[in-house]
Formats: sequence, structure tokens, C-alpha cells
Amino acid sequence: QSALTQPASVSGSPGQSITISCTGTSSDVGGYNYVSWYQQHPGKAPKLMIYEVSNRPSGVSNRFSGSKSGNTASLTISGLQAEDEADYYCSSYTSSNTLVFGGGTKLTVL
Amino acid sequence: QVQLQESGPGLVKPSQTLSLTCTVSGGSISSGGYYWSWIRQHPGKGLEWIGYIYNSGSTYYNPSLKSRVTISADTSKNQFSLKLSSVTAADTAVYYCARGARDFDYWGQGNLVTVSS
Repeated sequence: QSALTQPASVSGSPGQSITISCTGTSSDVGGYNYVSWYQQHPGKAPKLMIYEVSNRPSGVSNRFSGSKSGNTASLTISGLQAEDEADYYCSSYTSSNTLVFGGGTKLTVL
Repeated sequence: QVQLQESGPGLVKPSQTLSLTCTVSGGSISSGGYYWSWIRQHPGKGLEWIGYIYNSGSTYYNPSLKSRVTISADTSKNQFSLKLSSVTAADTAVYYCARGARDFDYWGQGNLVTVSS
């Protein structure tokens, strides 16, 4: 199972909005509503930010939102803040009953 | 609040078996219908799902690692464990335990395992 495709890096200024894409296939992202997004700060464990495409766990800011169209899922962060600077990973359930992650995107807040 | 904590050696010799344990507090691994997973992250790289255990004994593994992986549980200690056999330098990574199978809401802090002689 190939990793999902994410841009290596994105950047934005405080207060702006950014979107990170996550492209898979009809066997994973396109076939199931089990796409999740994780935030990882250096040296820390990943933190679940979005599950099942667009659901936010309790305690996650509503500045984070998720969506999906076809084989591509997206994470949007609005009102960028300095603390949002981190690596972001998407994941998806697959038709092989496995889980695949994206390669990760480094978000820089300018 | 559920908490997970990995433990195990930080250094393993090539061809040996890597063994890690995840101790869960704040919830029972044998109730609630939860899945318990292992995930690893190679240095400076992305995440790789290794496998999970549920119902205290049923398992499912990443096909790419299946021949070398065993995940088991000790409900009396509220722990689940990972064994990865015949390790090579390519298995050097931070190993995380987490709750879930399709999304992971609680994670351990990670345990760096280096494979080297």
C-alpha cells in the first residue's frame, strides 16, 4: 500500500488560512470516510485533530476543519497562529483492512 | 483520562527481536471495544502503522511486516506488547502505542529503538 500524497511544506502568515491536501486512491481516501489528520510538534507524539474526514475531537479548536472530494482529503486551518507550526499527517483506512499514512506536511507560520 | 506509556530497550542488535510494552492507565484494554495499535516513525520520516489488537487477543498486522510482528495483550497488567523479529537497521524508529484502529485518539510518548551492533 503506497503512502498517501501530501505536499512537503506549506506556509502562511498569522491570521491567514491554509489548506493541506492528502491524495490517495479509490481504495483508500476515495472509498471510505475514515480519513484522519494529526498534528505533530518536534519531539512529541502526534495529536488527533480530525477524524472521519471532518469530525473534531473534543478540545480541538474549530479553526481546524476537514473535507474530502473524490480521492483527495483536505485539512484547512483558519486564523493561523504561531502554535500551529508543526508537521501534519493524514491517514486513511484502506480496502486491504490496513491503515496508510501520508508522508507529512511541514507547516511554517511566517 | 487515558494514558499510554511505552517501555523497552532503546538498543537492539541486528537479527534479534525487538520487544516493547505499552502500559495503559485510565481505562481497561479489555473493555469498551477499543483497538490498541502500534505505530512507528523512522527518524525524520513519516508514520507507519504496524498493527493492532482487540478483544484482548484478535490481531491484524501491516502486510509488509506481518511475517515478523506479534502483538499480544496481558489484561491482568492492562498492557499490550509488540515483538518484531529479525530486526535490521531499517527498523530503527520511534515506536508509539496508541488507542484505535482507524484513528488514534490517545498516544504514548514514543520509545526510540535503535538497531545496531
